[in-house]
Amino acid sequence: EAQVTQNPRYLITVTGKKLTVTCSQNMNHEYMSWYRQDPGLGLRQIYYSMNVEVTDKGDVPEGYKVSRKEKRNFPLILESPSPNQTSLYFCASSPLPTSEGYSTDTQYFGPGTRLTVL
Amino acid sequence: KQEVTQIPAALSVPEGENLVLNCSFTDSAIYNLQWFRQDPGKGLTSLLLIQSSQREQTSGRLNASLDKSSGRSTLYIAASQPGDSATYLCAVTLNDMRFGAGTRLTVKP
Repeated sequence: EAQVTQNPRYLITVTGKKLTVTCSQNMNHEYMSWYRQDPGLGLRQIYYSMNVEVTDKGDVPEGYKVSRKEKRNFPLILESPSPNQTSLYFCASSPLPTSEGYSTDTQYFGPGTRLTVL
Repeated sequence: KQEVTQIPAALSVPEGENLVLNCSFTDSAIYNLQWFRQDPGKGLTSLLLIQSSQREQTSGRLNASLDKSSGRSTLYIAASQPGDSATYLCAVTLNDMRFGAGTRLTVKP
């Protein structure tokens, strides 16, 4: 079954304690991205990756890091979490954009990780 | 900077009613527009994708239209069912994907 998995699904932590949220996809997609969803703001892109070892900032990258050492995995790292990073996080993947721009195929989303930073 | 707005923020209808969800965007230079469904505690599921050259897409009881020049899209749901209750998000794509805040739909039995 084609899917994007995220772990953990729920996490409560304290300010300053480093954490990693894992993301894995089994569709051999080149493009992967991380979003955060906050009430009234919709989804905002944090980071994205076009392929292995290629990552770039989205709209709200401050306080986050990512790595893409393998095609299937795209972990999100919070080196020193703060309460304003309390949010619902989604990982997504899709085929690489076409020459015209974005992929004509949809993005596949993980189930989400609800993070609370106290 | 592209901004996407969805109205209304919440909608409650009786079962069987036809309904329309609205999405507007400020920059007409887009490659495509997508409608997603989000259930509580779940990820997003793509419902319909409309390329910029298309005017509408249909899937079952769902019909999405796109008027790029006016920066508007509508999602029409026919004969609504309680199982349609969810949050519906629209997203436009150019170099990245921009989401609206969503419309929370409740269909009452």
